[in-house]
Amino acid sequence: DAGVIQSPRHEVTEMGQEVTLRCKPISGHDYLFWYRQTMMRGLELLIYFNNNVPIDDSGMPEDRFSAKMPNASFSTLKIQPSEPRDSAVYFCASGGISGLTGELFFGEGSRLTVL
Amino acid sequence: GQSLEQPSEVTAVEGAIVQINCTYQTSGFYGLSWYQQHDGGAPTFLSYNALDGLEETGRFSSFLSRSDSYGYLLLQELQMKDSASYFCAVGLQGGKLIFGQGTELSVKP
Repeated sequence: DAGVIQSPRHEVTEMGQEVTLRCKPISGHDYLFWYRQTMMRGLELLIYFNNNVPIDDSGMPEDRFSAKMPNASFSTLKIQPSEPRDSAVYFCASGGISGLTGELFFGEGSRLTVL
Repeated sequence: GQSLEQPSEVTAVEGAIVQINCTYQTSGFYGLSWYQQHDGGAPTFLSYNALDGLEETGRFSSFLSRSDSYGYLLLQELQMKDSASYFCAVGLQGGKLIFGQGTELSVKP
């Protein structure tokens, strides 16, 4: 398996623009997580899905952020409109039964810079 | 809510042993995981403890005490390539995984 695939790897955009980050989890994994990493706040959990259903989105910072998982092999995280404080590395991770094993497989991340 | 505490930085010399502690406050606790991250790359899974005691995987060991809400990662025979950030993460009911702030380990020659 190719692992968790994220795109784009790098994105530079201007404040107010819409940003869409994409993730393809490992086949067969039924959990998918979106994390955001910054120096100040570390690795923050934004939202996670189980069997394509959002389970907990309490970490989504505000209404500008939305995430979808239309099928088992694809998820998106959208920011509209983007702001400079959204600049961070966004990681997608998938897991089989992560609640029992604690093991997640992370993608390489999408580095977002909002000017 | 949940909280995890781990030291921000640790420095050790090559060949030595280092212990990175993690304390947590949470409800619905299932287990404690450890992850390694090099230079902002993808975090990679190291170990998981669901029960009290020590788990050993090569040079790395991880310990958990559920009664003390405490765990640690032990790295033996340190190598330069072990310089990285190490995160503890609590697994919660429903499959949720929350990460600590991370400990930056510097291994000196």
